[in-house]
Amino acid sequence: AQRVTQPEKLLSVFKGAPVELKCNYSYSGSPELFWYVQYSRQRLQLLLRHISRESIKGFTADLNKGETSFHLKKPFAQEEDSAMYYCALKGTSGTYKYIFGTGTRLKVLA
Amino acid sequence: GAGVSQSPRYKVAKRGQDVALRCDPISGHVSLFWYQQALGQGPEFLTYFQNEAQLDKSGLPSDRFFAERPEGSVSTLKIQRTQQEDSAVYLCASSLGTRPQTYEQYFGPGTRLTVT
Repeated sequence: AQRVTQPEKLLSVFKGAPVELKCNYSYSGSPELFWYVQYSRQRLQLLLRHISRESIKGFTADLNKGETSFHLKKPFAQEEDSAMYYCALKGTSGTYKYIFGTGTRLKVLA
Repeated sequence: GAGVSQSPRYKVAKRGQDVALRCDPISGHVSLFWYQQALGQGPEFLTYFQNEAQLDKSGLPSDRFFAERPEGSVSTLKIQRTQQEDSAVYLCASSLGTRPQTYEQYFGPGTRLTVT
């Protein structure tokens, strides 16, 4: 079954501390993985995608096919990083369906 | 220009009523997605349009759900005989092209549907 698992509903860290938001997936094939973010009172928006290998707002995510994981990391959390983060997967063979995880709320404490 | 817009923003329906939710994608965007987001959950895929063609409706939960995009721009999601379990936020997203590795989805603000 295709599935995205985000084991933490809430993650609280202090400002300046490292952050890791976990994402594990189940998919038979080569999926495309994404992280989306929703700041308070704003729309859901793309943060980064694995294929771009980019760093956005200091966040990076590496696709680990062996562990079927796509964890989101940032070395030094900022208060403005507080938001809801969703990991999402899309299959690559003839499907248009995106599968989202249940999300992790990140709170960065001053 | 303006982003994706959705109307109404809030809808309260009595059980058994029909509702219609509208999505105005960004002008020129080829791809359009509908998602259902229940409280405390992530968005769940409902259906996908490429221009006016509905290429994937595998996520529609029952035949009470129907979506259309007749001219390849505005889309409507219709729910017939609403049930309490239909209460959710309905999100629409559009993207310029069809390749997710190149074109990102832009989300609307959502329509919060409450069925009483």
